Amino acid sequence: NAGVTQTPKFRVLKTGQSMTLLCAQDMNHEYMYWYRQDPGMGLRLIHYSVGEGTTAKGEVPDGYNVSRLKKQNFLLGLESAAPSQTSVYFCASRHLDRAYEQYFGPGTRLTVT
Amino acid sequence: AQSVAQPEDQVNVAEGNPLTVKCTYSVSGNPYLFWYVQYPNRGLQFLLKYITGDNLVKGSYGFEAEFNKSQTSFHLKKPSALVSDSALYFCAVRDNSGSARQLTFGSGTQLTVLP
Repeated sequence: NAGVTQTPKFRVLKTGQSMTLLCAQDMNHEYMYWYRQDPGMGLRLIHYSVGEGTTAKGEVPDGYNVSRLKKQNFLLGLESAAPSQTSVYFCASRHLDRAYEQYFGPGTRLTVT
Repeated sequence: AQSVAQPEDQVNVAEGNPLTVKCTYSVSGNPYLFWYVQYPNRGLQFLLKYITGDNLVKGSYGFEAEFNKSQTSFHLKKPSALVSDSALYFCAVRDNSGSARQLTFGSGTQLTVLP
């Protein structure tokens, strides 16, 4: 049982490049989330999904897109990276009936130059 | 709208001393409150929660938190700090009266326990 995994762990992009971050969970969780963590700002929700095939915007969705084609995977895309998207990105998941406990992945550190 | 405030960016405490990490919240209904801990280069880990019932909740690693409705606070406490408790701590809130499905996190407090 690997829990929540994220790939890649580190990435450096140039402004304007695109990339996709992959989140996978093996706990059969319905809900999945993408957050970004910036110094002094805590975690801010980018997008989330309440089930396969569904996505919704969070607090800071601009510049990002997501897809949940399979229940176990939640992809975060950056179509045209900007330096403001330099951050640490965390994926999380939770069970439908356990609203109080999210399980987090180890994070992806993204630098946009 | 729901919000969380952690007024201290940094808390330093000597090993063996009691520690407190402060959190205040704002929600429109009754709150669900949580504490998460983040060790270096790791994701957040769930510590404890308050949903309803006893105002003092106990969690992992000897931590506890006290819910105070009148002061809208949910401070994290531990009677005797360990060096291994040094980490980044996040308070989070979820309004259980609406349709919101997400947590709102505070900005985090860096706890350093000095040997």
